[in-house]
Amino acid sequence: DAGVTQSPTHLIKTRGQQVTLRCSPKSGHDTVSWYQQALGQGPQFIFQYYEEEERQRGNFPDRFSGHQFPNYSSELNVNALLLGDSALYLCASSFGTGGFQETQYFGPGTRLLVL
Amino acid sequence: AQSVTQLDSHVSVSEGTPVLLRCNYSSSYSPSLFWYVQHPNKGLQLLLKYTSAATLVKGINGFEAEFKKSETSFHLTKPSAHMSDAAEYFCVVSTPGGYNKLIFGAGTRLAVHP
Repeated sequence: DAGVTQSPTHLIKTRGQQVTLRCSPKSGHDTVSWYQQALGQGPQFIFQYYEEEERQRGNFPDRFSGHQFPNYSSELNVNALLLGDSALYLCASSFGTGGFQETQYFGPGTRLLVL
Repeated sequence: AQSVTQLDSHVSVSEGTPVLLRCNYSSSYSPSLFWYVQHPNKGLQLLLKYTSAATLVKGINGFEAEFKKSETSFHLTKPSAHMSDAAEYFCVVSTPGGYNKLIFGAGTRLAVHP
């Protein structure tokens, strides 16, 4: 059973560019959440997608957007990149109806460096 | 609003000695609490979770945690540290109404010395 997969593993961009990160959830999961982990910090919630809709959003600007496809995979898009967007971006999958007790399973992450 | 405080940013132990990683939480509702581990250049792996059943929760690799509502704590312990336990550990809270939004602590880096 494949776990959560993310691509690419590493990415280097320059300020002002746009980036797209991809995530495939664990088999059977229908919900994808995205987190940003800056160096030396705990992950911070960006947003969550369920039934192809953004269900909840953290305290991130509109430059961060996402999408969920019918097969439950998801993309995270970041526009107008800033140096401060350099981080490890983590995708997590879960069951959408499981509620707050549901376990989220994390992928290995995409490390983004903005120069 | 819910939050998590991990009381130690770094913990260093000798192999074979006990491990204690401390976590306090704040939540207006009865929360779910999790401990995740992150090895270098790896994603997050669930160690254990509390969901209002038994207050003493056993996880993988010999770790366990005790939920103490009166102290709003969820400390992680292991009787005997192994070199492979060296990693970053995160205490995490999730509360009703948040669509399973996870709030992470800042992390505790565990070093294990021979």
